[in-house]
Amino acid sequence: EPEVTQTPSHQVTQMGQEVILRCVPISNHLYFYWYRQILGQKVEFLVSFYNNEISEKSEIFDDQFSVERPDGSNFTLKIRSTKLEDSAMYFCASRWGAASNQPQHFGDGTRLSIL
Amino acid sequence: DAKTTQPNSMESNEEEPVHLPCNHSTISGTDYIHWYRQLPSQGPEYVIHGLTSNVNNRMASLAIAEDRKSSTLILHRATLRDAAVYYCILRDSAGSQGNLIFGKGTKLSVKP
Repeated sequence: EPEVTQTPSHQVTQMGQEVILRCVPISNHLYFYWYRQILGQKVEFLVSFYNNEISEKSEIFDDQFSVERPDGSNFTLKIRSTKLEDSAMYFCASRWGAASNQPQHFGDGTRLSIL
Repeated sequence: DAKTTQPNSMESNEEEPVHLPCNHSTISGTDYIHWYRQLPSQGPEYVIHGLTSNVNNRMASLAIAEDRKSSTLILHRATLRDAAVYYCILRDSAGSQGNLIFGKGTKLSVKP
């Protein structure tokens, strides 16, 4: 069964540094998402992406964050200048169609640790 | 998205059925009921969804009340691998880009 894959599984970065989290969504999917989960807390929506542009973003997704689908297969999340509070699990998800009965498929996440 | 209410935790014995309830009294006529689960150290995983009728798939069954104000996820024979946090989420069929709003879910523990 096709999967969403995320790399790296664990990223350790110094505060203030840029970090790029990578995702390969399922190949025929059209809608892409990033979520994050701070340790012990709920999964939170960050951003959705369709047709090479951001569709929706949450309040968390401020100017320090950006997303890109540079080559038609990878979907990346960049944090420009990391803060301690960016430490979390980051999950990528994709789905095939727009209908609300279409499920999202999640990767196993990247654990981001900011020192 | 309409709000859902789930118990914080439930316990089950291995190989017994588990009924996980969800209340969604403010559900609208166009909301689909989705269930996801999150195993330890993994990303959320789709389980099942429905609109009005009860649904079955290889993972679980979804029983939807006639007035749609509540639903129950049924695991027919719990295994140790089913220990996870289960999320009940409503998705509006008239909604935009499909981002999911996760609550705290129900943490299911399965005892051998």
